Amino acid sequence: DIQMTQSPSSLSASVGDRVTINCRASQDINIHVAWFQQKPGKAPKSLIYLTSILQSGVPSRFSGSGSGTDFTLTISRLQPEDFATYYCQQYRYYPLTFGGGTKVEI
Amino acid sequence: EVQLVESGGGLVQPGRSLRLSCAVSGFTFDEHAMHWVRQAPGKGLEWVSGISRDGDTIAYADSVRGRFTISRDRNSLHLQMDSLRPEDTALYFCGKDIGPGIGATEDWGQGTLVTVSS
Repeated sequence: DIQMTQSPSSLSASVGDRVTINCRASQDINIHVAWFQQKPGKAPKSLIYLTSILQSGVPSRFSGSGSGTDFTLTISRLQPEDFATYYCQQYRYYPLTFGGGTKVEI
Repeated sequence: EVQLVESGGGLVQPGRSLRLSCAVSGFTFDEHAMHWVRQAPGKGLEWVSGISRDGDTIAYADSVRGRFTISRDRNSLHLQMDSLRPEDTALYFCGKDIGPGIGATEDWGQGTLVTVSS
């Protein structure tokens, strides 16, 4: 199975900061990566698919990049509603696998 | 508006069975693959299973293969869970794929809680 290693597992940031979350795959997965946001007690929200394509309604301060084994989610200017846990997922190979998550805290 | 509503969760003893369902509306069901994803209390997301739009392609996580069965009919997705274990305790989410094959999830239900305990 493909292992997805996210870093950092948590980070502290302030409103207006630029935040970068990394995800490394255990083997080449091309660009088949999605990113999700989850707030406590809520269902996940889909942010990005195919590494860099924003889901409908997702603010443009979110962006994704990478290919092969290394991927990045960037939030250009952190907003109060962005404090949450973020997950990457690969869907190049079965079984699909998630990263361990990155908690973005104040 | 896309809606995904899970049902069927509850408290069940180890070794017993449970069948989850996900009723969908607001989109053409047979044009999209579907997923089940779970989250154990205080833990991260774990993909459980996916099924293509026509049901011809099915995939499972290693942890559930041979015990869980995904299926779809009309406007519902199902997950038959047999030989349940305490480690299957989780909130189970239904997800709608962006396309016909098993790939990225774009919409999610609110989840149904499964507790496996004696």
